[in-house]
Amino acid sequence: NAGVTQTPKFQVLKTGQSMTLQCAQDMNHNSMYWYRQDPGMGLRLIYYSASEGTTDKGEVPNGYNVSRLNKREFSLRLESAAPSQTSVYFCASSADPGGEQFFGPGTRLTVL
Amino acid sequence: GQQLNQSPQSMFIQEGEDVSMNCTSSSIFNTWLWYKQDPGEGPVLLIALYKAGELTSNGRLTAQFGITRKDSFLNISASIPSDVGIYFCAGQSGGTYKYIFGTGTRLKVLA
Repeated sequence: NAGVTQTPKFQVLKTGQSMTLQCAQDMNHNSMYWYRQDPGMGLRLIYYSASEGTTDKGEVPNGYNVSRLNKREFSLRLESAAPSQTSVYFCASSADPGGEQFFGPGTRLTVL
Repeated sequence: GQQLNQSPQSMFIQEGEDVSMNCTSSSIFNTWLWYKQDPGEGPVLLIALYKAGELTSNGRLTAQFGITRKDSFLNISASIPSDVGIYFCAGQSGGTYKYIFGTGTRLKVLA
């Protein structure tokens, strides 16, 4: 039982490049979330998916898109990376919307 | 918007000492979660609280849901070196899926 897994663990991009961060959970959870973590700030919600087939914006969605591929997988895409998107990105899941959230190990992204 | 103030921001303690930290909200929450994050890792859920006044333990950790529903407290008894890390609180208002996260308390334990 791996819980929540994320790939890649580290990534360096140049401004304007695109990439997709992958997330998968094996806990049969309905809800999944993407957060970013910046120094001195709490985790901020980018997008979430309350259940398979639905996605909604969180607090800081600009510059990102998401896809809930199936119940297990929830990806985050940066279409044109900017230095302001340098951050650590965490995926989380919960059994249901608003339930206890379990986090993955994170992706450390640097945009030059 | 809602804000969570977590204090202290950081603390150094001697091994064996007890530790206390807290989170205060500008609004009422229905759920409080406490997480620990080790360097380079994701947050790990320690304790979940669902009711005002609730006191819940997990080993040497004890957390309380404040009776005003605007605060929560985490205590660690007899700290050990592996308690080092950042402790986050998260609160949720009723009728929403969203959690608001505190900025963390960085704990350093001196052997």
